Amino acid sequence: EVQLVESGGGLVQPGGSLRLSCAASGFTVSSIYMSWIRQAPGKGLEWVSLFYSGVTTNYADSVKGRFTVSGDNSRNTLYLQLNSLRAEDTAVYYCARGGVGNPHDYWGQGTLVTVSS
Amino acid sequence: EIVLTQSPGTLSLSPGERATLSCRASQSVSSIYLAWYQQKPGQAPRLLIYGVSSRATGIPDRFSGSGSGTDFTLTISRLEPEDFAVYYCQHYGSSPLTFGGGTKVEIK
Repeated sequence: EVQLVESGGGLVQPGGSLRLSCAASGFTVSSIYMSWIRQAPGKGLEWVSLFYSGVTTNYADSVKGRFTVSGDNSRNTLYLQLNSLRAEDTAVYYCARGGVGNPHDYWGQGTLVTVSS
Repeated sequence: EIVLTQSPGTLSLSPGERATLSCRASQSVSSIYLAWYQQKPGQAPRLLIYGVSSRATGIPDRFSGSGSGTDFTLTISRLEPEDFAVYYCQHYGSSPLTFGGGTKVEIK
């Protein structure tokens, strides 16, 4: 059974950092495109980042230079490092299987990141 | 970047009625790479339709997708109580992947 479980969210001050994790089971993270997608409170979905087998990474302009996506094959886990956080980064962050050429067929439950002083 | 515009923003309908949701792209989208998702409050989105018209696993046949080029449609033939939710279209053919702003289908 395919499952994605995010963790690592929380309250952080502006300018701070967090690392989100997405533990996958039922498939290999390195074998398929993976994405991070966020949703600000009461707003729509915003694609954030793409990861493919460590070969391809891509970011939305809104987070480029501040967020870094990576993967750990031994743990079958996807990460998103969030640096220089701003109030507008406050959102539920979802990891989802899929990306370029593949729809997002499995999603985690999401982890809430709140950036506030 | 392909911008997706969904309309209407809110659709007020009764159970049993037909729902027609629109998604318009700022430039032509390859038909292979247009998807629709359903999201209920407090839940992660769920894939409904991919490749414009293919239903995802377990999705009932009252959901159908159509369109080409820049205009796409999600149709729910007869609304069931569990279909009242927010629906998003998405282009996933190239980076940046983009979502439409969503259409909320609410009970009239």
